[in-house]
Amino acid sequence: GNSVTQMEGPVTLSEEAFLTINCTYTATGYPSLFWYVQYPGEGLQLLLKATKADDKGSNKGFEATYRKETTSFHLEKGSVQVSDSAVYFCALSVSTGNQFYFGTGTSLTVIP
Amino acid sequence: KAGVTQTPRYLIKTRGQQVTLSCSPISGHRSVSWYQQTPGQGLQFLFEYFSETQRNKGNFPGRFSGRQFSNSRSEMNVSTLELGDSALYLCASSLGGNRETQYFGPGTRLLVL
Repeated sequence: GNSVTQMEGPVTLSEEAFLTINCTYTATGYPSLFWYVQYPGEGLQLLLKATKADDKGSNKGFEATYRKETTSFHLEKGSVQVSDSAVYFCALSVSTGNQFYFGTGTSLTVIP
Repeated sequence: KAGVTQTPRYLIKTRGQQVTLSCSPISGHRSVSWYQQTPGQGLQFLFEYFSETQRNKGNFPGRFSGRQFSNSRSEMNVSTLELGDSALYLCASSLGGNRETQYFGPGTRLLVL
């Protein structure tokens, strides 16, 4: 079947620290991969995506590379800010249409 | 372009009642998907509508239903509410192709008492 396994949280980092949130997936087909971010009281916002192997998605200093050989799509940022505090979701889409499979989410808190 | 809008933002209902949630997609988007978000189960896919037809369906009981209108607006209905239906219901829209980016609304928070 299709599923996403995400690193358990919560994660607490100091400002300017390096961030990695691990994400691995299982897919019956050839998926597109996404990272979404959810701020308190809001819906999900697309952070970045990749649609084929070895693609690197990037946005606002965040990066993730689609690794087909390890079925992974780890999220990284070199220097986090307090404003990055949110919940991060890894997701895949593989079927006809747009059914997304989400990971459980990783809560990130960045302290000054 | 205006984003995805959902109404109402908050709802309080009692067990046994029914509820209808509304979603207006981004202009030009023809696909609307619905998700349920709870602390225990995370984000779970309910169904997707494309051109007024249900194209995908998740593993939810028949009490959960939806429809899409010719202007792509969508409604979701939950009948005979249960306490466990308390959740944030998120709507997402996309152009309608496969494996596309979905754009989410702010959600409707439903509390069942």
